[in-house]
Amino acid sequence: KAGVTQTPRYLIKTRGQQVTLSCSPISGHRSVSWYQQTPGQGLQFLFEYFSETQRNKGNFPGRFSGRQFSNSRSEMNVSTLELGDSALYLCASSFEGNLGGYTFGSGTRLTVV
Amino acid sequence: ELKVEQNPLFLSMQEGKNYTIYCNYSTTSDRLYWYRQDPGKSLESLFVLLSNGAVKQEGRLMASLDTKARLSTLHITAAVHDLSATYFCAVDGGSNYKLTFGKGTLLTVNP
Repeated sequence: KAGVTQTPRYLIKTRGQQVTLSCSPISGHRSVSWYQQTPGQGLQFLFEYFSETQRNKGNFPGRFSGRQFSNSRSEMNVSTLELGDSALYLCASSFEGNLGGYTFGSGTRLTVV
Repeated sequence: ELKVEQNPLFLSMQEGKNYTIYCNYSTTSDRLYWYRQDPGKSLESLFVLLSNGAVKQEGRLMASLDTKARLSTLHITAAVHDLSATYFCAVDGGSNYKLTFGKGTLLTVNP
């Protein structure tokens, strides 16, 4: 059974640019959530999608956005990148959101220079 | 706002010793997760605890959940070097579809 697939694995971007990260959940899972991990702030929730609807959003500026497609794949976008956006971005897949466990992808390491 | 506190944050152990990591949380929840993270890697699911009194064991690790005390423990028995990693507990805050993580415990097992 394929796991959660995140692409790309690594990204280097310049301040002011924008970036799109992709997450394909486990087959049959309809909930996808995103987390940012930094040494200073730890793991912080960005947003959660279920059947193309955003059900919850974390405390991040509007530069962070996401969406989910009908096949449950999700993308997150960060516009006008700042140095502080450098982080490991993790996507988690779940069957029904909080009714099941969460399986994490390998993450995308974003470096903003 | 749900808060999750782990302690200790750093733990240096000798091989063969036992120790416990504690995870306290601030509001009612009956869903708690333990994850392991190796340096530069993603989160690997260790345990899913879904009810009061739940106890799960896998190899040298055992996790338990006391929802009344809002406390989960991760007990390490006869530690080996391969257990060196960062361990996170995460609490599902109910119907808001998100996990709130503790800061993690960096475990180093020395020969």
